[in-house]
Amino acid sequence: DAKTTQPTSMDCAEGRAANLPCNHSTISGNEYVYWYRQIHSQGPQYIIHGLKNNETNEMASLIITEDRKSSTLILPHATLRDTAVYYCIVRRGSNYKLTFGKGTLLTVNP
Amino acid sequence: GAGVSQTPSNKVTEKGKYVELRCDPISGHTALYWYRQSLGQGPEFLIYFQGTGAADDSGLPNDRFFAVRPEGSVSTLKIQRTERGDSAVYLCASSPNPGSGGLTDTQYFGPGTRLTVL
Repeated sequence: DAKTTQPTSMDCAEGRAANLPCNHSTISGNEYVYWYRQIHSQGPQYIIHGLKNNETNEMASLIITEDRKSSTLILPHATLRDTAVYYCIVRRGSNYKLTFGKGTLLTVNP
Repeated sequence: GAGVSQTPSNKVTEKGKYVELRCDPISGHTALYWYRQSLGQGPEFLIYFQGTGAADDSGLPNDRFFAVRPEGSVSTLKIQRTERGDSAVYLCASSPNPGSGGLTDTQYFGPGTRLTVL
């Protein structure tokens, strides 16, 4: 699976949009982009995933660039409860493993 | 519905002892995964079950680690002769339809078991 690069940490003001970037320049055509987050002392939580098109669900939006070499996770109205480590993972659909990096620690400030 | 549950939530043991960690997956999920997370790191894959069989155990660090899923539901991760380096959070996840790439391929994680080896 392709390797991903994320900033170590980011800050966001409560109520504002949080935009978390991820670079995956070696992604292959059959690899999906997954986002998980992990709130302190909890297990990872699935957020969203996509292949080529932008995706939106009740939690977030995923914007994938046309060349698929990078993506952005958008939390439209961040709350204090969104403070967590966010992991961007690239995975082939046929590959069952999730390979986690160190992720981005997002801190939402009041 | 009920999510993935893991017991115990915390386990403290002494070096050299044997421990068992239990995972109850979401009902109906055929795939079950174990991961290990050390402090400050992301989770690392240990083993994957499809039904009752271990389809991939390549992430198990050595032969002191073993996992079973005898009836295709509950799984137990067993660690023999524990060492201080085994201290970590052990995470379990399950998914309904692995390898599909779709939403049914999503892995749902439990809260983990924090193992401390003194």
